[in-house]
Amino acid sequence: ETGVTQTPRHLVMGMTNKKSLKCEQHLGHNAMYWYKQSAKKPLELMFVYSLEERVENNSVPSRFSPECPNSSHLFLHLHTLQPEDSALYLCASSQEYGRGGYTFGSGTRLTVV
Amino acid sequence: TQLLEQSPQFLSIQEGENLTVYCNSSSVFSSLQWYRQEPGEGPVLLVTVVTGGEVKKLKRLTFQFGDARKDSSLHITAAQTGDTGLYLCAGGGRDRGSTLGRLYFGRGTQLTVWP
Repeated sequence: ETGVTQTPRHLVMGMTNKKSLKCEQHLGHNAMYWYKQSAKKPLELMFVYSLEERVENNSVPSRFSPECPNSSHLFLHLHTLQPEDSALYLCASSQEYGRGGYTFGSGTRLTVV
Repeated sequence: TQLLEQSPQFLSIQEGENLTVYCNSSSVFSSLQWYRQEPGEGPVLLVTVVTGGEVKKLKRLTFQFGDARKDSSLHITAAQTGDTGLYLCAGGGRDRGSTLGRLYFGRGTQLTVWP
Protein backbone atom coordinates (compact mmCIF):
# COMPACT_ATOMS: atom_id res chain seq x y z
CA GLU A 1 0.00 0.00 0.00
CA THR A 2 1.33 3.45 -0.89
CA GLY A 3 0.83 6.88 0.67
CA VAL A 4 -0.12 7.59 4.27
CA THR A 5 -2.72 5.37 5.90
CA GLN A 6 -4.61 6.33 9.04
CA THR A 7 -6.82 4.13 11.19
CA PRO A 8 -9.49 4.27 12.34
CA ARG A 9 -11.29 6.69 9.99
CA HIS A 10 -13.90 7.48 12.62
CA LEU A 11 -13.75 7.21 16.41
CA VAL A 12 -16.29 8.03 19.10
CA MET A 13 -14.99 7.84 22.63
CA GLY A 14 -16.08 8.78 26.09
CA MET A 15 -14.10 11.16 28.25
CA THR A 16 -12.81 8.32 30.43
CA ASN A 17 -11.72 6.06 27.55
CA LYS A 18 -8.22 5.33 26.29
CA LYS A 19 -7.74 4.91 22.55
CA SER A 20 -4.95 5.17 20.00
CA LEU A 21 -4.76 6.56 16.48
CA LYS A 22 -2.43 4.86 14.03
CA CYS A 23 -0.55 6.25 11.05
CA GLU A 24 1.59 4.31 8.60
CA GLN A 25 3.68 5.46 5.63
CA HIS A 26 5.68 3.44 3.12
CA LEU A 27 7.12 6.39 1.20
CA GLY A 28 10.55 6.24 2.78
CA HIS A 29 9.98 9.65 4.38
CA ASN A 30 12.06 10.69 7.38
CA ALA A 31 9.59 13.06 9.07
CA MET A 32 6.07 12.42 10.36
CA TYR A 33 3.56 14.86 11.80
CA TRP A 34 0.32 14.96 13.76
CA TYR A 35 -2.05 17.85 12.97
CA LYS A 36 -5.40 18.80 14.47
CA GLN A 37 -8.01 20.32 12.17
CA SER A 38 -11.00 22.04 13.78
CA ALA A 39 -13.74 24.05 12.13
CA LYS A 40 -12.77 27.66 11.35
CA LYS A 41 -9.18 27.19 12.51
CA PRO A 42 -5.95 26.68 10.59
CA LEU A 43 -4.27 23.32 10.77
CA GLU A 44 -2.63 23.06 14.20
CA LEU A 45 0.71 21.28 14.35
CA MET A 46 0.79 18.99 17.38
CA PHE A 47 3.88 16.82 17.14
CA VAL A 48 6.78 16.24 14.78
CA TYR A 49 9.09 13.25 14.57
CA SER A 50 12.23 13.36 12.47
CA LEU A 51 14.23 10.14 12.10
CA GLU A 52 12.11 8.66 14.91
CA GLU A 53 12.98 11.41 17.39
CA ARG A 54 10.46 13.96 18.59
CA VAL A 55 11.62 17.38 17.48
CA GLU A 56 8.58 19.48 18.23
CA ASN A 57 5.78 19.49 20.78
CA ASN A 58 3.60 22.56 20.44
CA SER A 59 2.22 22.91 23.97
CA VAL A 60 -0.13 20.02 23.47
CA PRO A 61 -1.99 18.82 26.61
CA SER A 62 -0.57 15.68 28.19
CA ARG A 63 -3.79 13.81 27.46
CA PHE A 64 -2.30 13.44 23.95
CA SER A 65 0.77 11.20 23.87
CA PRO A 66 2.63 10.44 20.62
CA GLU A 67 4.76 7.41 19.89
CA CYS A 68 7.03 6.69 16.93
CA PRO A 69 8.38 3.12 17.15
CA ASN A 70 10.02 3.27 13.71
CA SER A 71 10.23 5.56 10.70
CA SER A 72 7.11 4.08 9.11
CA HIS A 73 4.69 4.17 12.04
CA LEU A 74 3.29 6.91 14.23
CA PHE A 75 0.72 6.65 17.00
CA LEU A 76 -1.29 9.16 18.97
CA HIS A 77 -2.45 7.81 22.32
CA LEU A 78 -5.53 9.47 23.76
CA HIS A 79 -6.81 9.42 27.34
CA THR A 80 -9.30 11.43 29.38
CA LEU A 81 -10.11 13.70 26.46
CA GLN A 82 -12.51 16.64 26.57
CA PRO A 83 -15.39 17.38 24.16
CA GLU A 84 -13.38 20.29 22.71
CA ASP A 85 -10.81 17.74 21.51
CA SER A 86 -13.32 16.57 18.92
CA ALA A 87 -11.73 17.26 15.52
CA LEU A 88 -10.14 15.72 12.46
CA TYR A 89 -6.68 14.41 13.32
CA LEU A 90 -4.37 14.28 10.35
CA CYS A 91 -1.08 12.47 9.99
CA ALA A 92 1.43 13.64 7.38
CA SER A 93 4.92 12.73 6.26
CA SER A 94 7.66 14.45 4.29
CA GLN A 95 11.06 13.52 2.94
CA GLU A 96 12.78 15.84 5.42
CA TYR A 97 11.52 17.73 8.45
CA GLY A 98 9.86 21.01 7.44
CA ARG A 99 10.91 20.80 3.82
CA GLY A 100 9.24 19.69 0.63
CA GLY A 101 5.66 18.67 0.07
CA TYR A 102 3.70 16.87 2.75
CA THR A 103 1.71 13.72 2.10
CA PHE A 104 -1.35 13.58 4.31
CA GLY A 105 -3.46 10.66 5.39
CA SER A 106 -7.26 10.76 5.18
CA GLY A 107 -7.50 11.58 8.86
CA THR A 108 -9.38 10.22 11.86
CA ARG A 109 -12.64 12.01 12.68
CA LEU A 110 -12.70 11.97 16.48
CA THR A 111 -15.80 12.71 18.52
CA VAL A 112 -15.52 12.91 22.31
CA VAL A 113 -18.81 12.45 24.13
CA THR B 1 4.56 32.53 14.26
CA GLN B 2 4.30 33.43 10.60
CA LEU B 3 0.68 34.06 9.60
CA LEU B 4 -0.87 33.35 6.23
CA GLU B 5 -4.16 35.06 5.42
CA GLN B 6 -6.31 33.47 2.75
CA SER B 7 -9.14 35.22 0.95
CA PRO B 8 -11.92 34.89 0.33
CA GLN B 9 -12.84 32.49 3.12
CA PHE B 10 -15.78 31.15 1.11
CA LEU B 11 -16.44 31.23 -2.64
CA SER B 12 -19.50 29.86 -4.41
CA ILE B 13 -19.62 29.98 -8.21
CA GLN B 14 -21.26 28.38 -11.24
CA GLU B 15 -19.51 25.86 -13.44
CA GLY B 16 -17.57 27.57 -16.22
CA GLU B 17 -16.69 30.70 -14.28
CA ASN B 18 -13.15 31.83 -13.54
CA LEU B 19 -11.90 32.57 -10.03
CA THR B 20 -8.83 33.67 -8.09
CA VAL B 21 -8.00 33.00 -4.45
CA TYR B 22 -5.26 34.72 -2.53
CA CYS B 23 -2.72 33.91 0.13
CA ASN B 24 -0.99 36.86 1.81
CA SER B 25 1.54 37.40 4.58
CA SER B 26 3.89 40.02 5.94
CA SER B 27 6.58 37.33 6.19
CA VAL B 28 8.94 36.07 3.52
CA PHE B 29 8.75 32.36 2.77
CA SER B 30 11.35 30.08 1.23
CA SER B 31 8.59 28.23 -0.60
CA LEU B 32 4.83 28.26 -0.98
CA GLN B 33 2.64 25.22 -1.38
CA TRP B 34 -1.01 24.84 -2.35
CA TYR B 35 -3.15 21.92 -1.22
CA ARG B 36 -6.74 20.89 -1.97
CA GLN B 37 -8.78 19.05 0.65
CA GLU B 38 -12.03 17.29 -0.18
CA PRO B 39 -14.64 16.45 2.47
CA GLY B 40 -13.60 13.51 4.64
CA GLU B 41 -10.07 13.42 3.22
CA GLY B 42 -6.66 14.87 3.99
CA PRO B 43 -5.10 17.73 2.00
CA VAL B 44 -3.43 16.78 -1.28
CA LEU B 45 -0.43 18.73 -2.54
CA LEU B 46 -1.13 20.55 -5.83
CA VAL B 47 2.05 22.56 -6.39
CA THR B 48 5.17 24.01 -4.77
CA VAL B 49 6.64 27.36 -5.89
CA VAL B 50 10.04 28.47 -4.68
CA THR B 51 11.19 31.44 -6.76
CA GLY B 52 9.80 34.97 -6.46
CA GLY B 53 7.62 35.72 -9.49
CA GLU B 54 7.36 32.05 -10.42
CA VAL B 55 4.25 30.93 -12.30
CA LYS B 56 3.20 27.30 -12.57
CA LYS B 57 0.31 25.87 -14.52
CA LEU B 58 -1.50 22.64 -13.77
CA LYS B 59 -4.16 22.17 -16.47
CA ARG B 60 -6.79 24.85 -15.64
CA LEU B 61 -5.00 25.96 -12.46
CA THR B 62 -2.40 28.74 -12.49
CA PHE B 63 -0.28 29.40 -9.41
CA GLN B 64 1.85 32.49 -8.89
CA PHE B 65 4.40 33.30 -6.19
CA GLY B 66 4.79 37.02 -5.46
CA ASP B 67 8.04 38.74 -6.39
CA ALA B 68 8.84 39.34 -2.71
CA ARG B 69 7.86 35.77 -1.77
CA LYS B 70 5.24 37.02 0.70
CA ASP B 71 2.09 36.18 -1.23
CA SER B 72 0.62 33.82 -3.77
CA SER B 73 -2.47 33.42 -5.89
CA LEU B 74 -4.34 30.51 -7.42
CA HIS B 75 -6.41 31.14 -10.55
CA ILE B 76 -8.85 28.55 -11.87
CA THR B 77 -10.16 28.87 -15.41
CA ALA B 78 -13.57 27.44 -16.36
CA ALA B 79 -14.25 25.92 -12.95
CA GLN B 80 -15.76 22.45 -12.77
CA THR B 81 -17.78 20.76 -10.02
CA GLY B 82 -14.76 18.55 -9.36
CA ASP B 83 -12.79 21.64 -8.28
CA THR B 84 -14.97 21.90 -5.15
CA GLY B 85 -12.90 21.68 -1.98
CA LEU B 86 -10.89 23.54 0.63
CA TYR B 87 -7.81 25.20 -0.85
CA LEU B 88 -4.97 25.62 1.63
CA CYS B 89 -1.76 27.55 1.16
CA ALA B 90 1.31 26.75 3.24
CA GLY B 91 4.53 28.71 3.53
CA GLY B 92 7.93 27.23 4.29
CA GLY B 93 10.00 29.13 6.85
CA ARG B 94 11.54 29.10 10.32
CA ASP B 95 10.43 30.38 13.70
CA ARG B 96 12.61 33.21 15.00
CA GLY B 97 15.69 31.84 16.72
CA SER B 98 15.17 28.35 15.35
CA THR B 99 17.29 26.51 12.81
CA LEU B 100 14.49 24.07 12.05
CA GLY B 101 12.31 24.57 9.00
CA ARG B 102 8.55 24.27 9.26
CA LEU B 103 5.38 24.73 7.23
CA TYR B 104 2.78 27.37 8.15
CA PHE B 105 -0.79 26.80 6.96
CA GLY B 106 -3.49 29.35 6.19
CA ARG B 107 -7.15 28.78 7.18
CA GLY B 108 -8.11 27.97 3.61
CA THR B 109 -10.67 29.05 1.01
CA GLN B 110 -13.75 26.84 0.76
CA LEU B 111 -14.70 26.69 -2.92
CA THR B 112 -18.06 25.35 -4.08
CA VAL B 113 -18.71 24.97 -7.79
CA TRP B 114 -22.36 24.45 -8.75
CA PRO B 115 -23.46 22.66 -11.93
